[in-house]
Amino acid sequence: KQEVTQIPAALSVPEGENLVLNCSFTDSAIYNLQWFRQDPGKGLTSLLLIQSSQREQTSGRLNASLDKSSGRSTLYIAASQPGDSATYLCAVFGGSARQLTFGSGTQLTVLP
Amino acid sequence: DGGITQSPKYLFRKEGQNVTLSCEQNLNHDAMYWYRQDPGQGLRLIYYSQIVNDFQKGDIAEGYSVSREKKESFPLTVTSAQKNPTAFYLCASTPRGDRANEKLFFGSGTQLSVL
Repeated sequence: KQEVTQIPAALSVPEGENLVLNCSFTDSAIYNLQWFRQDPGKGLTSLLLIQSSQREQTSGRLNASLDKSSGRSTLYIAASQPGDSATYLCAVFGGSARQLTFGSGTQLTVLP
Repeated sequence: DGGITQSPKYLFRKEGQNVTLSCEQNLNHDAMYWYRQDPGQGLRLIYYSQIVNDFQKGDIAEGYSVSREKKESFPLTVTSAQKNPTAFYLCASTPRGDRANEKLFFGSGTQLSVL
């Protein structure tokens, strides 16, 4: 059974810092990995989707990488801003059951 | 604006009561999903539907029921058989149900609490 882990559960950084969020998964037989953003009491917004054949995807200040063989993905946020404060979740799709498995998220706080 | 609308935003359930959460989308997406989110945990799939009049159980379907009579609508009923219903419920959709290649679009959620 696929397990997705995000460490740390919470992270606090000063404004302007570059930061990396981590996501690891136990079964490398995945089709894709998505990173989501969730604001308090809101739904999820898809930030980046990386197909299993890709190594990275970029959108603005965000860059997500995928290393299938080691079961790891990172979300790099450049020049962080207070508006980046949210919970970031990763999810992998794959396995014989073709399931989407979510991590429990990293709560990011960017201090002004 | 295209999107997914969930209502109500907050819902309270009394003991033994069934409650229904609404999910409507105007994205013309074929597939719709219901997820449950508990504090500090990842999302878990309750039910999903890839076409009208057809739906499949997810990982935690017990105590829940759904219908898909229209492409735009996928209501979720939390029955009295669900003994621990307090959670944040999220509705989502994908264009063709091809989760291997498509991003998920989410509604803003319904917080269900037990009185």
